[in-house]
Amino acid sequence: AQSVSQHNHHVILSEAASLELGCNYSYGGTVNLFWYVQYPGQHLQLLLKYFSGDPLVKGIKGFEAEFIKSKFSFNLRKPSVQWSDTAEYFCAVNAGDMRFGAGTRLTVKP
Amino acid sequence: DTGVSQDPRHKITKRGQNVTFRCDPISEHNRLYWYRQTLGQGPEFLTYFQNEAQLEKSRLLSDRFSAERPKGSFSTLEIQRTEQGDSAMYLCASSSGTGVISGANVLTFGAGSRLTVL
Repeated sequence: AQSVSQHNHHVILSEAASLELGCNYSYGGTVNLFWYVQYPGQHLQLLLKYFSGDPLVKGIKGFEAEFIKSKFSFNLRKPSVQWSDTAEYFCAVNAGDMRFGAGTRLTVKP
Repeated sequence: DTGVSQDPRHKITKRGQNVTFRCDPISEHNRLYWYRQTLGQGPEFLTYFQNEAQLEKSRLLSDRFSAERPKGSFSTLEIQRTEQGDSAMYLCASSSGTGVISGANVLTFGAGSRLTVL
């Protein structure tokens, strides 16, 4: 069965700093890849997804992620974070059923 | 359609009691998933259905956990003889699509049902 690893447990940044959150998965077959976000007190929402085609995908709120098949990675990036990006970010892999990483808590200081 | 609905939002029970959570998915979605989330952790996959068929249940945490989706619409998750370690948020999600390569395999989550076992 597939598994998902998120290496950063808690990231603290100042506003306008650049962000990169790591995600690696273990599954040899075809997968769909996702990033979900959970703002404080809210439920999980889709940030972006990769199914096929261009490995650089763009999502909402200026986020993007790059699928590197050879590295089994799907890292999330944003060039300039805002205070409102403070949330928990989850990487997920779907190869039949959806599995999530442990999450990365992002705190953006104003 | 107002999205995925879960009921109750919060359940407080005493150890040893049985609890049941209900999930109403988005009406046109044929897949339904149950997850458990504890504080500071990602959602932990429990089981999922395609229509009324339960396609994966080996990840259910113990034989005290069971899930049903009798008519392929709403689903229930039951925990028998609850233990304090069962305290968590139980999430339901739904999606449409079948195969792995499907543009419709995007999960929409409900707000969750929080269980507190005293």
